[in-house]
Amino acid sequence: AQKVTQAQTEISVVEKEDVTLDCVYETRDTTYYLFWYKQPPSGELVFLIRRNSFDEQNEISGRYSWNFQKSTSSFNFTITASQVVDSAVYFCALSEVNFGNEKLTFGTGTRLTIIP
Amino acid sequence: DAGVIQSPRHEVTEMGQEVTLRCKPISGHDYLFWYRQTMMRGLELLIYFNNNVPIDDSGMPEDRFSAKMPNASFSTLKIQPSEPRDSAVYFCASSLGGQGTDTQYFGPGTRLTVL
Repeated sequence: AQKVTQAQTEISVVEKEDVTLDCVYETRDTTYYLFWYKQPPSGELVFLIRRNSFDEQNEISGRYSWNFQKSTSSFNFTITASQVVDSAVYFCALSEVNFGNEKLTFGTGTRLTIIP
Repeated sequence: DAGVIQSPRHEVTEMGQEVTLRCKPISGHDYLFWYRQTMMRGLELLIYFNNNVPIDDSGMPEDRFSAKMPNASFSTLKIQPSEPRDSAVYFCASSLGGQGTDTQYFGPGTRLTVL
């Protein structure tokens, strides 16, 4: 069965600091997708990134970067020069590629607070 | 393009009443998902549809919950009768394709409070 672990329940950092959110996953499939979503205080779930299991290249998008390592089953998310607007709950999620099992398995989320 | 649309955004009702939540997926998306988010259980999938057909409803908590998708642009999640433990945020999401490969885009959610 697939599983996603976000061991960090809450993190607080001072604005402009860098912060890394950890995500560890479990799956028996060789083909799968990993996702990160952001849930700001307003409550909606905002898609950030999707990564397939065959692409281990790190990705950078502005102040956001993602480090995917199959060897450690991790897909960590780093925010550089954090800003108050980054305050949110961040979810890591996993989907396996099987018909009839299209569901996302979410981690429990990491609440990030950026202190001005 | 409009994203996933949900209504109402907030619903307060009394125990025993029927509640209907509505969702309009992104046009052209073949998959529609209903999730529930609570502090205790996090985000959990209730049911999902492919081309308006329910594929997996194993997450529906009990017979009080039912979902329909009469056409490609509309789905409902109904709770009858509602109970206080049903209080949660209910999200609808849609994706272009399935088999776990495509991104699910979420609506703003409906915050349900059952008194």
